[in-house]
Parts: sequence; structure tokens; C-alpha cells
Amino acid sequence: GNSVTQMEGPVTLSEEAFLTINCTYTATGYPSLFWYVQYPGEGLQLLLKATKADDKGSNKGFEATYRKETTSFHLEKGSVQVSDSAVYFCALGNRDDKIIFGKGTRLHILP
Amino acid sequence: NAGVTQTPKFQVLKTGQSMTLQCAQDMNHEYMSWYRQDPGMGLRLIHYSVGAGITDQGEVPNGYNVSRSTTEDFPLRLLSAAPSQTSVYFCASSGLAGTGELFFGEGSRLTVL
Repeated sequence: GNSVTQMEGPVTLSEEAFLTINCTYTATGYPSLFWYVQYPGEGLQLLLKATKADDKGSNKGFEATYRKETTSFHLEKGSVQVSDSAVYFCALGNRDDKIIFGKGTRLHILP
Repeated sequence: NAGVTQTPKFQVLKTGQSMTLQCAQDMNHEYMSWYRQDPGMGLRLIHYSVGAGITDQGEVPNGYNVSRSTTEDFPLRLLSAAPSQTSVYFCASSGLAGTGELFFGEGSRLTVL
């Protein structure tokens, strides 16, 4: 079946540091891949997505590239801000209509 | 500008009680789903629906029932609550099943004593 594995947190960085949150997946066929962000006390919201191999999703300075050869969709940002502190979820959607999430990575950015 | 609305936001139940979590969306989305969020477990799919009259099981469906009589509403029923169902529940909808952006409600925090 489909599954998503992302790096365990929490991740703590200083402001302006480079961020990588790893995500790998297992799926049949050609899934769509997503990153969602959850701020405290809120529901999840879409950060970026990619629907086919080699696509790069980007939003608010975050980027992730759909790598089929390594079954990965790592999230990166060149310079993080305190306001980026949140929980980040990698997710996968496939033809079976189920959207499956990873366990989430909590990110703390120190000023 | 409502989007996805969940009620109630907080609920405390005793073991064996029943209740319904309500979810409504005003975006005319065909796809709706319920997730539960637990510490260290991420979000796990309970049930989903690709349109009115159609529902299917997700990863953790046991102990939960759903129905989809209209496009707008997708209630989640707990027939006999258990402490293991203590969780935060999220309803989400999408205009495109499986590959589209999910729009989430604000969540419902349920405690079963």
C-alpha cells in the first residue's frame, strides 16, 4: 500500500538557517505529493504540491522536488524565519482516492 | 467565506456514549474526508467520500460510521465511544479526489473518559 515517511522532529534552527525536512514515499503508479503546514491551534493548509516526476513545487520560499528515482519529496527553505515555526506534513495522493500523511515534523525557529 | 466548518470544537464523552461530529463545506466539493490526529502518529484517514451516496473506509475506520446524503455534509458518528478515540478530528474537502488540495476545518477535540 501507499505510505509516507518523514524525518522525526522536533527540528530546532536559528533564524536565517537553511532548512531541509526529508520525506520519502512508497506508492504504486504515479502519486501526487504534497507538503502541508499546521500552525498552533489551526487545521492544516497546503504549502506546496507536485503532480509528476521532476516537478518542483514552491511557495513562500519553500521548495520541494518530486524525485521518482529516489521516491523522495524533501522540503527546503534557504533562510527560515521565526514565523515558519509550525508542524510540517508530507502527504501522498493516488488513484485510490486516499490522501495519506506522514507523522509530521515540528519545526522551532529561534530568533 | 466559511470553507469547511466543524462542530463542536470541544467535546467530552463518557465511555459507551454516542455522538456525531458535524462537517459542512460550502465549496461544492465532491470529495470529503475525516482524519484523526494523535501525538506521534500524524494524521490517519478514517473514512472518505467521493460524492453524495458514496463512502469508503480509510486506514482506521473501526468504531466510526459516516454517511453522505448531500454534497455539503459529511457527519462522523461514534456509536459507542472508547478512550482510544480520544483525539483531534479534522474534516477536509477537495475539488479533486486524490490529487487535489485538501481544505481543512479547524478541528474537533474529543476526550473520552
